Amino acid sequence: DAGVIQSPRHEVTEMGQEVTLRCKPISGHNSLFWYRQTMMRGLELLIYFNNNVPIDDSGMPEDRFSAKMPNASFSTLKIQPSEPRDSAVYFCASSSFTDTQYFGPGTRLTVL
Amino acid sequence: TQLLEQSPQFLSIQEGENLTVYCNSSSVFSSLQWYRQEPGEGPVLLVTVVTGGEVKKLKRLTFQFGDARKDSSLHITAAQPGDTGLYLCAGAYSGNTPLVFGKGTRLSVIA
Repeated sequence: DAGVIQSPRHEVTEMGQEVTLRCKPISGHNSLFWYRQTMMRGLELLIYFNNNVPIDDSGMPEDRFSAKMPNASFSTLKIQPSEPRDSAVYFCASSSFTDTQYFGPGTRLTVL
Repeated sequence: TQLLEQSPQFLSIQEGENLTVYCNSSSVFSSLQWYRQEPGEGPVLLVTVVTGGEVKKLKRLTFQFGDARKDSSLHITAAQPGDTGLYLCAGAYSGNTPLVFGKGTRLSVIA
């Protein structure tokens, strides 16, 4: 079975540009999580969805960040406008009625 | 405030040595998980412990969940260079809710 798929794997952009990160969860999983990882703060939850519905977005840093899950097999995380402090590795994870979360390979974002 | 404190943050040891990593919290969790993350990859689940006092073994790795379900430890026997990576503990309050992650222990095993 395919795991969680994320694209792109690497993104380099300039400050002020819009960035869109994509995630395809494992088929049949009903929960999807977006995390951000930095050396200073570790893994931080940004937002999570249950059955395509956003449940908790309190981790989203500010209005520049938005996330959508239009269907059970696709989610996006958008940053507009991007800033250098957004540089991090962004992970998507999915789970199915259990505590176990399966992580994608991550997107390494660099904002210049 | 970090809900899950991991120690040590960094650990560099020689091949063949034993080591223990600790994960502590003031919160009670329904389960606690240990993940291992290699450079350029996402965290991969090693084990889930559910019952207070539970001990699980995975080859040379031994995981223990505290009696009160607030803390856990990971012990590696005879560490090998292949054990090198970032070890993360994560607590769950219930199924399908976000995990609370520690900041991780970065282990380097030198041949």
